[in-house]
Amino acid sequence: AQTVTQSQPEMSVQEAETVTLSCTYDTSESDYYLFWYKQPPSRQMILVIRQEAYKQQNATENRFSVNFQKAAKSFSLKISDSQLGDAAMYFCAYSRIQGAQKLVFGQGTRLTINP
Amino acid sequence: DVKVTQSSRYLVKRTGEKVFLECVQDMDHENMFWYRQDPGLGLRLIYFSYDVKMKEKGDIPEGYSVSREKKERFSLILESASTNQTSMYLCASLLRGAEAFFGQGTRLTVV
Repeated sequence: AQTVTQSQPEMSVQEAETVTLSCTYDTSESDYYLFWYKQPPSRQMILVIRQEAYKQQNATENRFSVNFQKAAKSFSLKISDSQLGDAAMYFCAYSRIQGAQKLVFGQGTRLTINP
Repeated sequence: DVKVTQSSRYLVKRTGEKVFLECVQDMDHENMFWYRQDPGLGLRLIYFSYDVKMKEKGDIPEGYSVSREKKERFSLILESASTNQTSMYLCASLLRGAEAFFGQGTRLTVV
């Protein structure tokens, strides 16, 4: 079974600094998708960034980038120049490509931005 | 805009009641999901469906069932509600490999 683990329940960072959120996953499949989602206090889930496992290049979206280490099954999110609006729960997620597309989430990391 | 709509934002039910949570999406997505969200446990997958009348158990299916008679609608059923099913329930839909879209969530309290 596929599992996703986020070992940092809470993180904090000073505004304008950089922070990295960790995620590991377990799968026997060779091709899959990985995601980071953000859930602000409004509870609405927002896609932050997406990575396809067959692509070796790390995905980037403005201030958000990932460090994808396929062999280590690691998928960390780096947020540069942190802003107050980045404060939220962040969830790492995995989805397989073949067959029924099960979407599995980690436990989440609560990110606090200190002004 | 893709819309995923859950029938209720807040719900209070009594122990032993049969509870229906409805979810409707308007983008013809093949995959739909039901999760429960509890502090410290993240989003745990209850059931998902990859086509009409096709479903698979997630990680915590006990005490729940689902129905997908039409592509746009995915229902979660609590056969006999218990207090340990008090939680936030989230519905999602997605196309293969793309972004998942979520409903606004249903806060269910079982008393």
